[in-house]
Amino acid sequence: KAGVTQTPRYLIKTRGQQVTLSCSPISGHRSVSWYQQTPGQGLQFLFEYFSETQRNKGNFPGRFSGRQFSNSRSEMNVSTLELGDSALYLCASSLSLAYSTDTQYFGPGTRLTVL
Amino acid sequence: AQKITQTQPGMFVQEKEAVTLDCTYDTSDPSYGLFWYKQPSSGEMIFLIYQGSYDQQNATEGRYSLNFQKARKSANLVISASQLGDSAMYFCAMREGSTGANSKLTFGKGITLSVRP
Repeated sequence: KAGVTQTPRYLIKTRGQQVTLSCSPISGHRSVSWYQQTPGQGLQFLFEYFSETQRNKGNFPGRFSGRQFSNSRSEMNVSTLELGDSALYLCASSLSLAYSTDTQYFGPGTRLTVL
Repeated sequence: AQKITQTQPGMFVQEKEAVTLDCTYDTSDPSYGLFWYKQPSSGEMIFLIYQGSYDQQNATEGRYSLNFQKARKSANLVISASQLGDSAMYFCAMREGSTGANSKLTFGKGITLSVRP
């Protein structure tokens, strides 16, 4: 079974631009979560989607948004990029939202650099 | 208060020896799951092992085992017979289950493990 895939793997943007990152979950997984990882703040939860609906959101400004499609693939968008948005963005998928036992499996991440 | 605490700054272990990575957690939710992930320099988070709050026995997965002490709220990862490929960052994470359906993981700051030949 293929793992979680993320595209692109690397991205360089300039301040003020916007960016869209894509995530394809493991086949059969319906829940997709996004995390931001920076050296200073560590791993922080952005949001999660299940059945095309955002179910939970972390403490990030409205410039960060996402969506999920009917095939469970997800995209996240960051508008008006700031230098502080430079980070590794990790996507994770799990079977469902319902159980604390459901393991989240992560993709390789998209490394975003904002100049 | 931090929900997941990993205080060891960096760990070194000799190849083929065992090592314990510490993790303490804080939650009032009776239903929760504890996870350990490995992150090599490539960046991908690799799932290692899971322990549920209601599990009676400590979890084991190959060379990985979890020393779960519920009363102390600790969930230490034990790696036996360390290999050079174990050199990586290790994260402890928690998912709380009783407050409604969500898959949010709360992570600790991580521990760097270096395996010496």
